[in-house]
Amino acid sequence: ELKVEQNPLFLSMQEGKNYTIYCNYSTTSDRLYWYRQDPGKSLESLFVLLSNGAVKQEGRLMASLDTKARLSTLHITAAVHDLSATYFCAVDKDRGSTLGRLYFGRGTQLTVWP
Amino acid sequence: KAGVTQTPRYLIKTRGQQVTLSCSPISGHRSVSWYQQTPGQGLQFLFEYFSETQRNKGNFPGRFSGRQFSNSRSEMNVSTLELGDSALYLCASSLQGEGYGYTFGSGTRLTVV
Repeated sequence: ELKVEQNPLFLSMQEGKNYTIYCNYSTTSDRLYWYRQDPGKSLESLFVLLSNGAVKQEGRLMASLDTKARLSTLHITAAVHDLSATYFCAVDKDRGSTLGRLYFGRGTQLTVWP
Repeated sequence: KAGVTQTPRYLIKTRGQQVTLSCSPISGHRSVSWYQQTPGQGLQFLFEYFSETQRNKGNFPGRFSGRQFSNSRSEMNVSTLELGDSALYLCASSLQGEGYGYTFGSGTRLTVV
């Protein structure tokens, strides 16, 4: 079965520091999604990556996709407390076939402290 | 434009009862999918509907069922509730169910006592 693995699962970082969250997946997919979830809330879409080499940036977050390595990264630059949340990556495609569903990683719980 | 609307937001039910949750997708979106989120199992796919047809189903018992109406609104039903059904239930709206992104509703927090 298709697997999506994130690491680390827990990340505690100081404000102002940089860090990267990794998302590995087992399928041949050229499509990957990143979501953010605040405690008790729903999933907020951050990035949709639709091709190999895709890079998207929003504020202090930058996501990239390497389909050959089956790897996506979410890079955090100069972290601030407001970025504290759980981040999920997900895929919805396997060998060119749309799955009609999202396979999620376990999530990375990020805590940014002063 | 209006987002994805899920009702109710919170629900407390007793074991053995049944429950119906509702999801209204973004206008024009024809795909609605449902997910169960628990601390132990994470986000698990329940089923997906497109134009009133179930296209995909996750690995859940038959107590979990759903349907989609002609206006794309979807409902999911859980019969004979068990304590383990306590979870956050999320629905996602998508234009066609692929590639264009999925927008999630606020979720329904179900507690079974």
